[in-house]
Amino acid sequence: DAKTTQPNSMESNEEEPVHLPCNHSTISGTDYIHWYRQLPSQGPEYVIHGLTSNVNNRMASLAIAEDRKSSTLILHRATLRDAAVYYCILRSVDNYGQNFVFGPGTRLSVLP
Amino acid sequence: NAGVMQNPRHLVRRRGQEARLRCSPMKGHSHVYWYRQLPEEGLKFMVYLQKENIIDESGMPKERFSAEFPKEGPSILRIQQVVRGDSAAYFCASSRDRVDGYTFGSGTRLTVV
Repeated sequence: DAKTTQPNSMESNEEEPVHLPCNHSTISGTDYIHWYRQLPSQGPEYVIHGLTSNVNNRMASLAIAEDRKSSTLILHRATLRDAAVYYCILRSVDNYGQNFVFGPGTRLSVLP
Repeated sequence: NAGVMQNPRHLVRRRGQEARLRCSPMKGHSHVYWYRQLPEEGLKFMVYLQKENIIDESGMPKERFSAEFPKEGPSILRIQQVVRGDSAAYFCASSRDRVDGYTFGSGTRLTVV
């Protein structure tokens, strides 16, 4: 997998938007950008994924830079339940044998 | 549609005993993955199985650890002669096909005393 770089931790106030950045300067054309999050004492949970275009779902939005070397996960209104470790992962669909590789992620704290 | 079911949720074993961790994938999912998360560390891939076959076990320790996914029944991660260093959270995930995203279970927290 191509490597991603995320800040170790971020803080946000409740009900404010949160922008979680991810750098992936060595991304290849077949790499999808996936975001998972892990709440305390739980397994990782799928958040969103995309290839080139920005994506929206009920949980979040994914903004992908035009050169695809970075992306941003956007939580529109943070709640206390959004406090988690957020993982940005690249995964190519070109390689059949590729598993998700989790890095250290960004630990998001949400302040009331 | 129940998600990925792992049991037990918590497991305590004495050093030298065997630990068996079970994972029932989501309905319709035939690909199973096991990950381990040591305290205060990230998730590490262990093994990938597809019904009755081990596809990738590159993350499995060479000794004491084994995994299976029989034709009928859950996937089992087996740890023989456990040691204190095996204490960790073990997560199972499943997917519908190889390019699909993963759905994770809530994990089994193994404590070796």
